[in-house]
Amino acid sequence: QIVLTQSPAIMSASPGEKVTITCSASSSVSYMHWFQQKPGTSPKLWIYSTSNLASGVPARFSGSGSGTSYSLTISRMEAEDAATYYCQQRSSYPWTFGGGTKLEIK
Amino acid sequence: QVTLKESGPGILQPSQTLSLTCSFSGFSLSTSGMGVGWIRQPSGKGLEWLAHIWWDDDKRYNPALKSRLTISKDTSSNQVFLKIASVDTADTATYYCARIMITTGMDYWGQGTSVTVSS
Repeated sequence: QIVLTQSPAIMSASPGEKVTITCSASSSVSYMHWFQQKPGTSPKLWIYSTSNLASGVPARFSGSGSGTSYSLTISRMEAEDAATYYCQQRSSYPWTFGGGTKLEIK
Repeated sequence: QVTLKESGPGILQPSQTLSLTCSFSGFSLSTSGMGVGWIRQPSGKGLEWLAHIWWDDDKRYNPALKSRLTISKDTSSNQVFLKIASVDTADTATYYCARIMITTGMDYWGQGTSVTVSS
C-alpha cells in the first residue's frame, strides 16, 4: 500500500504567517486530496485533485505537487485555520491517509 | 442538500459482529459516479479507510480488514450498510460514512458514530 508521510506532525503559526504542510508518498500518485478536521467534528474535504479548493474554502489556501511530493499552503494564517489537516490518496487501493498535521495558532 | 448519518450499536463485546448503517439524503446511489464509503478514527488518532460501494455495486475493501468486512446498499431506501465480523478492542473508534464522487472524492461526511468494543 502507499504510505503517506506528513510533516510536520505539529506546528504553530502566527496570524498572517505563511504555512506549508507537506505530504510525501511512498510511491507516485496521480493526485493528492486534503481534509481539515477540527476537534469533535468530522473531516471536511478541503482540497481535491491536488489543487482544487472544495466549496467554501478560502482562497488563501492552495495545493500543489506531483508524483510523490505534495503540499498544502496557507498564504496568511488566520485563527480559524487552526485544525488538523490530512492528506489522502486514491490513486491505488487501499486508499490511504497521512498521519495528520496539527496546526495551531500562536 | 446532501446529508449523511451513521448509526450503530454504541457498545458491543469482543467477537461479536458490528453492524453500521449510513442513511443519506440529497443524492442517489443509482447515479453514475456516485459512491458511499466508510472511514474510522480511533480517539486521538488518524483516519483509516475501510470500504466503499459504487453506484454499479462495485465494492472495495481495505485488505487489512477485508476478510471481516461486508458492505452493501439499499438504493431504494438510501442506505449503505457495513458489517465488521469478530470485533476486538482495536475496532473501538468513531465510524464515519462519506459520499464519494469520482471527480471530487469524499466530499460530504456524516457526523460519525462512536463504537466501543469492551467485555
